[in-house]
Amino acid sequence: GAVVSQHPSRVICKSGTSVKIECRSLDFQATTMFWYRQFPKQSLMLMATSNEGSKATYEQGVEKDKFLINHASLTLSTLTVTSAHPEDSSFYICSAPLRRDEQFFGPGTRLTVL
Amino acid sequence: GESVGLHLPTLSVQEGDNSIINCAYSNSASDYFIWYKQESGKGPQFIIDIRSNMDKRQGQRVTVLLNKTVKHLSLQIAATQPGDSAVYFCAETNTPGNTPLVFGKGTRLSVIA
Repeated sequence: GAVVSQHPSRVICKSGTSVKIECRSLDFQATTMFWYRQFPKQSLMLMATSNEGSKATYEQGVEKDKFLINHASLTLSTLTVTSAHPEDSSFYICSAPLRRDEQFFGPGTRLTVL
Repeated sequence: GESVGLHLPTLSVQEGDNSIINCAYSNSASDYFIWYKQESGKGPQFIIDIRSNMDKRQGQRVTVLLNKTVKHLSLQIAATQPGDSAVYFCAETNTPGNTPLVFGKGTRLSVIA
């Protein structure tokens, strides 16, 4: 099946710094990618939809100025957590659809903000 | 047995027994449903899907049942194995394509050897 990668898999940063997470579709092109956030023992919650060549669409309650999304190519979307704080510590997961309804998920990025 | 904790309900089953994991979905307009398995520290892994024009679909050791009347989805795992231990999520979406998934709360399956 199709492969989606994320980098880094884990990151620890100090409060107030910015962290960039990459999501790549390795063997297919994705005009759309989705970013989810998962807190411990909870489900995945959609944060935003990343659109290649245009602005991302954010879910209600997600600050677009804090979670910057750039979908610069058909295989890469990046999520930058700006001025990270401990409450931003979470598991961030991206997904990319290959065909209608079939989405492939990345392995996730564990962010810990000290 | 099944217990409900602060966040994730847990289902404990003996190895070799059948497991049934339930999910109530929210949107009556959803027409595509998927079950995912998530192991600790990993992304969701596709298990099986079903469209709204079906009420049952079988895979290898897994069966998904859909009851649109009560908006209920279930995943049945036959002859549960220790490797099946994980958190299971149902997800829903509607057509057309490129729509994000809405995930259910999840159930932790614990297999007792």
